[in-house]
Amino acid sequence: DAKTTQPTSMDCAEGRAANLPCNHSTISGNEYVYWYRQIHSQGPQYIIHGLKNNETNEMASLIITEDRKSSTLILPHATLRDTAVYYCIVRLLVQGAQKLVFGQGTRLTINP
Amino acid sequence: DAGITQSPRHKVTETGTPVTLRCHQTENHRYMYWYRQDPGHGLRLIHYSYGVKDTDKGEVSDGYSVSRSKTEDFLLTLESATSSQTSVYFCAISTPRRGFEQFFGPGTRLTVL
Repeated sequence: DAKTTQPTSMDCAEGRAANLPCNHSTISGNEYVYWYRQIHSQGPQYIIHGLKNNETNEMASLIITEDRKSSTLILPHATLRDTAVYYCIVRLLVQGAQKLVFGQGTRLTINP
Repeated sequence: DAGITQSPRHKVTETGTPVTLRCHQTENHRYMYWYRQDPGHGLRLIHYSYGVKDTDKGEVSDGYSVSRSKTEDFLLTLESATSSQTSVYFCAISTPRRGFEQFFGPGTRLTVL
């Protein structure tokens, strides 16, 4: 699985867009970018995933650069409940069990 | 929320004691996983299961065993607990229909004295 690099921590004001970057310069052509988040003391929660195209769902948007070496998770209108650790994971989408590898993630703090 | 429960939610035990953690799901999902989370580390996969009686090792399986005799239950056993196994343990499930998404349980905080 490709290695990812994320900032250790970020701050964002409530109501503003939170943009979380992830570098994955060694990503291979068929590896997906996944994002999960972990709110304090809870189990991680899936947010979104993508391969090449930008993706949007009810939680967030995922922007992947054309060369696929980096991506950005966007929370369009951050709330205090979005304070969490956000994990960027790059891996193949295989048939069968998905053995996720979590790095250190980015600790996002939403400030009132 | 996906129907995943873990028991116990908290446990304190002594070194050398056997410990079993239980993960129970009501979703009938095929795949189940056990992770541990420690300060300074992300979640690390211990063992996983791809069906009843079908299990395999993950990244940090030494000192742990698992069993899955029913679709809904995945047990993690520490045969002889050590202080290095003090951690928060998370169970997760996934289904081939949505293979990109794992649903995690609430976690079990285990302290080995």
